[in-house]
Amino acid sequence: GQSLEQPSEVTAVEGAIVQINCTYQTSGFYGLSWYQQHDGGAPTFLSYNALDGLEETGRFSSFLSRSDSYGYLLLQELQMKDSASYFCAVGEDTGRRALTFGSGTRLQVQP
Amino acid sequence: NAGVTQTPKFQVLKTGQSMTLQCAQDMNHEYMSWYRQDPGMGLRLIHYSVGAGITDQGEVPNGYNVSRSTTEDFPLRLLSAAPSQTSVYFCASSSTGPPGETQYFGPGTRLLVL
Repeated sequence: GQSLEQPSEVTAVEGAIVQINCTYQTSGFYGLSWYQQHDGGAPTFLSYNALDGLEETGRFSSFLSRSDSYGYLLLQELQMKDSASYFCAVGEDTGRRALTFGSGTRLQVQP
Repeated sequence: NAGVTQTPKFQVLKTGQSMTLQCAQDMNHEYMSWYRQDPGMGLRLIHYSVGAGITDQGEVPNGYNVSRSTTEDFPLRLLSAAPSQTSVYFCASSSTGPPGETQYFGPGTRLLVL
């Protein structure tokens, strides 16, 4: 089976940098994804890592260490609109076509 | 393109009633899936389909049925609603599916079972 752990809440100020960590245990790891969800909205894709290292997409970056079963999402130059929940999700390398999501980290950006 | 659409947006059911949640996509995606999201929690996979005529169970399939007769549509049926099925239901699709591909989510259906 799969299990993921991420902090439940993070608070930061506008313009700052915040890191959201995710550790996982899987029976067959394929890759780590990150999704953003605003209150009342649908999840939207942010980033994906299949290999170790850093992936950068604008203000957002995602990092993966397969040997440590660990990844993080880095948000730079925080804006008020970044206040949302962030979910990490793992894909399986077992032939089962499924994503398993963490329980999410609620990010509060303060002025 | 409308993307992934879901109907209804909101629904109230009584225990024991049945209903179908509709999901459609116009992106010609082979992979479609249903998730439920309970308050303060992540998404849990109910059922998924890798193409017309092919479905499989996810993490929490009990109490739900699916079928995939066309590429575009993937309805979710609640056979006999229970209060434990009160949740927000999201449909998602992608070209070939996880593990390495972006999932596109619909706006969700909020279901309350009394």
